[in-house]
Amino acid sequence: AQSVSQHNHHVILSEAASLELGCNYSYGGTVNLFWYVQYPGQHLQLLLKYFSGDPLVKGIKGFEAEFIKSKFSFNLRKPSVQWSDTAEYFCAVKGGGSQGNLIFGKGTKLSVKP
Amino acid sequence: NAGVTQTPKFRVLKTGQSMTLLCAQDMNHEYMYWYRQDPGMGLRLIHYSVGEGTTAKGEVPDGYNVSRLKKQNFLLGLESAAPSQTSVYFCASSLQVMATSGGYQETQYFGPGTRLLVL
Repeated sequence: AQSVSQHNHHVILSEAASLELGCNYSYGGTVNLFWYVQYPGQHLQLLLKYFSGDPLVKGIKGFEAEFIKSKFSFNLRKPSVQWSDTAEYFCAVKGGGSQGNLIFGKGTKLSVKP
Repeated sequence: NAGVTQTPKFRVLKTGQSMTLLCAQDMNHEYMYWYRQDPGMGLRLIHYSVGEGTTAKGEVPDGYNVSRLKKQNFLLGLESAAPSQTSVYFCASSLQVMATSGGYQETQYFGPGTRLLVL
């Protein structure tokens, strides 16, 4: 069965620090990869996605993620975080076939200190 | 274009009561999903639908039923609510497209959520 692992449950950073959130998945075939963000009290918003092509994908608000197929990883990065990035971040994976569901990691809560 | 909307936003139920959560989308998406979100658990799929008139079970379907009578609506029912169903419920919709390189591409878009408290 597919699974998604997010390494950090809670990350605390100061403003301007660099961010990297880890995500590993277990699935052998073609995958669709996503990062969603959930600001406090709000719904999930798509941050970025990878389907194929350039393994470095850029999303909204200065976020980017790199797909490393050999490591089954899709880590999220941002060079300089802001207080407004405080949120919970979810990695999600779906097999590239027509069947199969979107599997979410348990989430990483990011707290940015002003 | 409202995207995905959910009704109600918040509800309190007593154990044993029933209720229906409504999800509506105006993007003409074929696929619709119901998830529950619990602290430290991420999102777990309850039921989903790949088209009008079809439904299927997800990871945690027990205690829930769904219906997709119209393409734009996906209803989630709780026949006899239990405290374990206290959660935040999210609906999502998507369109699946075949990629030129083969395989399928699908992005899910989420509604604002319904917070349910069962006493």
